[in-house]
Amino acid sequence: KQEVTQIPAALSVPEGENLVLNCSFTDSAIYNLQWFRQDPGKGLTSLLLIQSSQREQTSGRLNASLDKSSGRSTLYIAASQPGDSATYLCAVKTTSGTYKYIFGTGTRLKVLA
Amino acid sequence: KAGVTQTPRYLIKTRGQQVTLSCSPISGHRSVSWYQQTPGQGLQFLFEYFSETQRNKGNFPGRFSGRQFSNSRSEMNVSTLELGDSALYLCASSLTGTENIQYFGAGTRLSVL
Repeated sequence: KQEVTQIPAALSVPEGENLVLNCSFTDSAIYNLQWFRQDPGKGLTSLLLIQSSQREQTSGRLNASLDKSSGRSTLYIAASQPGDSATYLCAVKTTSGTYKYIFGTGTRLKVLA
Repeated sequence: KAGVTQTPRYLIKTRGQQVTLSCSPISGHRSVSWYQQTPGQGLQFLFEYFSETQRNKGNFPGRFSGRQFSNSRSEMNVSTLELGDSALYLCASSLTGTENIQYFGAGTRLSVL
């Protein structure tokens, strides 16, 4: 059974700092992995989608890597800003059993001005 | 292009009642997935519809059901509401539901009293 874990659960950093969020999963049989951000009381916004055959994806100040063999993904945020404050969720799309996304519990990020 | 629209945004019901939530996907998207988000369990997959057919299903009781119409709009129904059904219900649409990015609506917050 696929399990997705995100560490740390919460993070508080000063503005301008580079930071790394971690996501680990137990079953390497995945179609893809997606990183989302969620603002309080809102839906999710997709940040980056990495297919199982890819190693990383970049968008602006964000870079996500995927290492299927070790069951890990990292989201790197460069030069953090207060507007980056949100909860970040990773989700893996499974290939075994029900074809669905399994979400981690998220990392709540606060960037201090 | 309009995003994913969920209605209503907020609902208050009492135990034993039933409720219907609606989701209009992005134009051209044929896959609609539903998720339940609670503080204790996080984001959990309910089901996915593609071309009016339920393609995948999560581990929820039969009180949770859904359907998709020919225009890809989807509805989710919960019968015999329980206090534990209080949650944020999110729907997500994508082109085909396989390798594509999922786009989420803002959600419907359901409170069961």
